[in-house]
Amino acid sequence: GAVVSQHPSRVICKSGTSVKIECRSLDFQATTMFWYRQFPKQSLMLMATSNEGSKATYEQGVEKDKFLINHASLTLSTLTVTSAHPEDSSFYICSADLREEEAFFGQGTRLTVV
Amino acid sequence: AQSVTQPDIHITVSEGASLELRCNYSYGATPYLFWYVQSPGQGLQLLLKYFSGDTLVQGIKGFEAEFKRSQSSFNLRKPSVHWSDAAEYFCVFPMDSNYQLIWGAGTKLIIKP
Repeated sequence: GAVVSQHPSRVICKSGTSVKIECRSLDFQATTMFWYRQFPKQSLMLMATSNEGSKATYEQGVEKDKFLINHASLTLSTLTVTSAHPEDSSFYICSADLREEEAFFGQGTRLTVV
Repeated sequence: AQSVTQPDIHITVSEGASLELRCNYSYGATPYLFWYVQSPGQGLQLLLKYFSGDTLVQGIKGFEAEFKRSQSSFNLRKPSVHWSDAAEYFCVFPMDSNYQLIWGAGTKLIIKP
């Protein structure tokens, strides 16, 4: 089946630094990828929709200058958390395209900002 | 507005017992509905999906779900749970317009030995 690879699975960074998370579709081309964030004891929240070759569409309340999304190719989207703070610590998940109404998810990235 | 509700935040069942996880949706027409599972340390995995047709849907790992329009529900069931079923389960509804997903809050399943 289709595979989406997300890297890294875990990252710890210092406050004020930036972290890049990659999301790759390994065996299909994804014109659209979605980035989600999971808060403790809450469901996944959509952060932004990433379209290949164009600017991402951010959900209300998500700071686009803080969460930079780049979708430079049909198989790669990146999320960069800039000037990270402890409150950015969370679980981030990407998903790629819905084919036949199914989304394919990355493994997720656990970000800890210290 | 379209929404998905999972009323149970936690459910504890004994290994070998039957399981039912509740999911209710709010939508004006027949929705597509999914159940996903997130196991500890792993990514999300699709258990099953409902588009139309048979209201009883079979999924992986011995799970099934039944779509009931009259109750606006899509409950997930398993006749006998295994310790490896301990995970968080999400009922998910893809929106029409752009295939974004509306997520239930999730139900954490705890298995007692």
